[in-house]
Amino acid sequence: SQQGEEDPQALSIQEGENATMNCSYKTSINNLQWYRQNSGRGLVHLILIRSNEREKHSGRLRVTLDTSKKSSSLLITASRAADTASYFCATDEGDDKIIFGKGTRLHILP
Amino acid sequence: DAGITQSPRHKVTETGTPVTLRCHQTENHRYMYWYRQDPGHGLRLIHYSYGVKDTDKGEVSDGYSVSRSKTEDFLLTLESATSSQTSVYFCAISVSDATDTQYFGPGTRLTVL
Repeated sequence: SQQGEEDPQALSIQEGENATMNCSYKTSINNLQWYRQNSGRGLVHLILIRSNEREKHSGRLRVTLDTSKKSSSLLITASRAADTASYFCATDEGDDKIIFGKGTRLHILP
Repeated sequence: DAGITQSPRHKVTETGTPVTLRCHQTENHRYMYWYRQDPGHGLRLIHYSYGVKDTDKGEVSDGYSVSRSKTEDFLLTLESATSSQTSVYFCAISVSDATDTQYFGPGTRLTVL
């Protein structure tokens, strides 16, 4: 089944720096979503970007989508300790479900 | 959290025993999902439902069954638990159409000995 694949698998950066993670997928999509998961918790929705959009912002988050390259990126600016989490992209599959990638583990160093 | 609860939150059971996990929502959303999360595999879809008595299989449905007799409850049953089903199980709902934003429950940590 189609699945987004995040890159890198893990990322450590200093607090205050920007963090960028990428997602690649295999077939055409209608939308792509990014979720965050803090340790031991359920996933929390961050942003949904539709196939006819190229960029979307939410606070310190910026998501881009390049449908020609079948890829998306999530940028977190001015990172904070609270941004330490796993980040997942998800793509729609058919009309009735979405498929998650394996995630990027982000660690913000003090 | 869109009013999603899961029960139990933690369970330890033995191989071969039946186990039922419950997902409850308070807002009557149509779409509900069961995922399992394992290290190195991310979230994998087990079963999903698009209405009362309407369910379908996901990516890793073998060994699992589901039921949805009421809009607000979606049950996941392991008929005969195996150690490979040790995992964290998450329930989710979609508030509009099935491929839109999903809201997740807090998860159930299941250990099969």
